[in-house]
Amino acid sequence: EDQVTQSPEALRLQEGESSSLNCSYTVSGLRGLFWYRQDPGKGPEFLFTLYSAGEEKEKERLKATLTKKESFLHITAPKPEDSATYLCAVQNTGTASKLTFGTGTRLQVTL
Amino acid sequence: DAMVIQNPRYQVTQFGKPVTLSCSQTLNHNVMYWYQQKSSQAPKLLFHYYDKDFNNEADTPDNFQSRRPNTSFCFLDIRSPGLGDAAMYLCATSRAGLGDNEQFFGPGTRLTVL
Repeated sequence: EDQVTQSPEALRLQEGESSSLNCSYTVSGLRGLFWYRQDPGKGPEFLFTLYSAGEEKEKERLKATLTKKESFLHITAPKPEDSATYLCAVQNTGTASKLTFGTGTRLQVTL
Repeated sequence: DAMVIQNPRYQVTQFGKPVTLSCSQTLNHNVMYWYQQKSSQAPKLLFHYYDKDFNNEADTPDNFQSRRPNTSFCFLDIRSPGLGDAAMYLCATSRAGLGDNEQFFGPGTRLTVL
C-alpha cells in the first residue's frame, strides 16, 4: 500500500526566513510525485510534478526536489501570502490515475 | 478560463436526507474524480471516471454513488447522509496520458449534516 508522510505538521516562519517541508513516501513504482497548495476552505492548487530522482522544479519562491524516498519543498524568503497547507501526493505506476495524499504541512508566515 | 466548477459551495442536509453535489469542467479532461476531505486530513479518493468507465475505491461506502452523464459533468450522490459524512467534497479532473498526470481541483463543496 502506498504511503505518504509529511513533516512537520505545522510550521511557523517569519517573513524572509527560508525553510524546507519534507514528504517521505513508499510506493511500489513511482509514476509521479505531486505538490499542491491548499488555502483554507478551498480546493488544492497544483504546484509541481516530479517524475524521477534528482529532478528539481522551481516556481517563484518555491523549489521542489525528489530522491528515491522523499521530496522536499524549499521555500526561500517566504512572504505572508505563502501561508497555506502544502500537500504532497504520489501516483503509482500500477494504479494509473489514483493519487495518495499526505496530510499536509500547515505553513504560517508572519511579518 | 478553463476550470473545474462545483455547486453548491456549501450544502446543509439533514441526517438521512439524500443530497447531490455537482461538478462541471471546461478543461475537456477525460478523467474525473471525487475526493472526501475531513478537517486536517488528507483528501481521500472515493471513485473516479475514466471516460465512461466507473472505478470505485474498495473502501468507499455503498452510501456514495456517482453519475457522469457526459464529459463535462459529474455528480456525487449521498443516499442517506450520516453525521460522519460531513466533510469537504472535492472534484478533480485530469487528462490521461503519458506526462499529463496533474489533477486539477475545483473549489470544493462543504457538506454539513444536521
